[in-house]
Amino acid sequence: EVQMVQSGAEVKKPGESLKISCKGSGYSFIGYWIAWVRQMPGKGLEWMGIIYPDDSDTRYSPSFQGQVTISADKSINTAYLQWSSLKASDTAIYYCARHRTGNVGGDYRHFYMDVWGEGTPVTVSS
Amino acid sequence: QSALTQPASVSGSPGQSITVSCTGTSSDVGGYNYVSWYQQHPGKAPKLMIYDVSNRPSGVSNRFSGSKSGNTASLTISGLQAEDEADYYCSSYTSSSTLYVFGTGTKVTVL
Repeated sequence: EVQMVQSGAEVKKPGESLKISCKGSGYSFIGYWIAWVRQMPGKGLEWMGIIYPDDSDTRYSPSFQGQVTISADKSINTAYLQWSSLKASDTAIYYCARHRTGNVGGDYRHFYMDVWGEGTPVTVSS
Repeated sequence: QSALTQPASVSGSPGQSITVSCTGTSSDVGGYNYVSWYQQHPGKAPKLMIYDVSNRPSGVSNRFSGSKSGNTASLTISGLQAEDEADYYCSSYTSSSTLYVFGTGTKVTVL
């Protein structure tokens, strides 16, 4: 069974650092891009960025560039999302998902997300 | 890059058909056949329902169908059932620096 298993809920204080994880199984981890998606309380889905675990090629949505870091360790089939200094506005559920992507004329196009993790709730409060 | 525009809510009675619209631009919905739709029940992760405008993943009911005309994509749910009550999000590849964009989301209510 193809699945993405995420790390558990986190409660942090403003200014603290955090790294959450997403482990893929049941498929060739290095062969697919993995995306991170934010959902703030009561709000919609926001695409944050994406990584190709085989070579760690990473792209960010401009809204999240410089705010978070996406990384991966292909030796343990795991992708990560991290913050160096959390803010209260980072309170949200964070989902990872396998993102189907194609190379069209040398340009990567990200098509759709077919396998999702269960989400990691992150609460930042003093 | 703004989110794709969806109606906030759509409702219908059991057995009826409803359609959820998703309006973008020529840089996303209108320019490529890479529109997908996700269903999200409360407290659950999103689930892929439609990809590449009109394709259904294995296991998704054929009551769900997708289409596109110009800059607007649509999700139609036929034979509406209580279990279809959920939030629905469209999304698309975009040639802008955003790379990928979601819609604003639509709450589907079964009356």
